[in-house]
Amino acid sequence: KQEVTQIPAALSVPEGENLVLNCSFTDSAIYNLQWFRQDPGKGLTSLLLIQSSQREQTSGRLNASLDKSSGRSTLYIAASQPGDSATYLCAVITTGNTPLVFGKGTRLSVIA
Amino acid sequence: GAGVSQSPSNKVTEKGKDVELRCDPISGHTALYWYRQSLGQGLEFLIYFQGNSAPDKSGLPSDRFSAERTGGSVSTLTIQRTQQEDSAVYLCASSLERGNTEAFFGQGTRLTVV
Repeated sequence: KQEVTQIPAALSVPEGENLVLNCSFTDSAIYNLQWFRQDPGKGLTSLLLIQSSQREQTSGRLNASLDKSSGRSTLYIAASQPGDSATYLCAVITTGNTPLVFGKGTRLSVIA
Repeated sequence: GAGVSQSPSNKVTEKGKDVELRCDPISGHTALYWYRQSLGQGLEFLIYFQGNSAPDKSGLPSDRFSAERTGGSVSTLTIQRTQQEDSAVYLCASSLERGNTEAFFGQGTRLTVV
């Protein structure tokens, strides 16, 4: 059974700092890994999708990497801003007929 | 529509009543997921539809919960005889197909059972 773990559970950083969020998964037989953002009381916003054959994806100040063999992904946020404050979730789809499996998220606070 | 649409956005119901939650996926998306998120908790998988295949109901917490997807598009999640522990945000997502495609979420339905 696929399990996804995110570390740290919470993170507080000053504005302008670069930061890394971590995601690990137990079953490396994945189709893809997706990073989401969730603001309080809101739904999930997709940030980046990494296919199993890819090593990284970039969107603006965000860069996500994937090391499938070791079961790890990182989300790098450059020059953090207060507007980046949210909960960040990673999710994987494992081969076979399985749903998206989520980690519990990292709650990020960027302090002005 | 442009994104996944869920209705209602908020629902308050009395314990013991039945409720129906609706999800309109992005047009053409064959995969549809339901999750729920209790206060301060992670996402709990409920049910998954993929095209014409039998749905994966393995996450439904009890037989009071059921879901259907009509015509491969709109989905309805029904909770019968609601209990206070059913209070949560119910989230729906869709993707073009299950494999290598991006999943998009609706804004959720906040269900409160009083």
